[in-house]
Amino acid sequence: QVQLVQSGAEVKKPGASVKVSCKASGYTFTSYDINWVRQATGQGLEWMGWMNPNSGNTGYAQKFQGRVTMTRNTSISTAYMELSSLRSEDTAVYYCARAAGIDPWGQGTLVTVSS
Amino acid sequence: DVVMTQSPLSLPVTLGQPASISCRSSQSLVYSDGNTYLNWFQQRPGQSPRRLIYKVSNRDSGVPDRFSGSGSGTDFTLKISRVEAEDVGVYYCMQGTHWLTFGGGTKVEIK
Repeated sequence: QVQLVQSGAEVKKPGASVKVSCKASGYTFTSYDINWVRQATGQGLEWMGWMNPNSGNTGYAQKFQGRVTMTRNTSISTAYMELSSLRSEDTAVYYCARAAGIDPWGQGTLVTVSS
Repeated sequence: DVVMTQSPLSLPVTLGQPASISCRSSQSLVYSDGNTYLNWFQQRPGQSPRRLIYKVSNRDSGVPDRFSGSGSGTDFTLKISRVEAEDVGVYYCMQGTHWLTFGGGTKVEIK
């Protein structure tokens, strides 16, 4: 079945960067975009951007422009989301999700930013 | 940016009774290809979101038929015909016509 499996929880200090991975299985990785969405504790869903795994083309929400980078390694069907200059407000669960239809979702990766 | 406004924020429902969630967009969600990219998601406590409905009214595989979506243009509705205990969670609408944006969520709980 189609599955997205994300990397484990991270704890980072303010100003650092974090890189979250999302490994796809059960379908052809390069055939569907990957989106990244985050959710602060007790809050709603916030779209961060998308990446086309075939071309590597990306599109980022304005809020994250300059701080987020989405990449991929097609040989291992894995997408990555790197967020830099972390601040406490970036503490959240980060999800990857397939395609513009946003289905299915990964299990989420908790990123905690704390000094 | 397209703003998605959901109501109500919280929805206490009696088991077996219907529930309805409204979602309004700040501009039309009809895309140039004629499709309307409006989806509904369910997020149970402690779980990742799960898509229930895509393109306004199409139920995903495995989604019970008590869930239905309707609407057009800027006004959309998710209905649960008879709420069951497993339906507790937060429901989000999402538009995919102009990039992606989510509604603020509606928490469904049992009275």
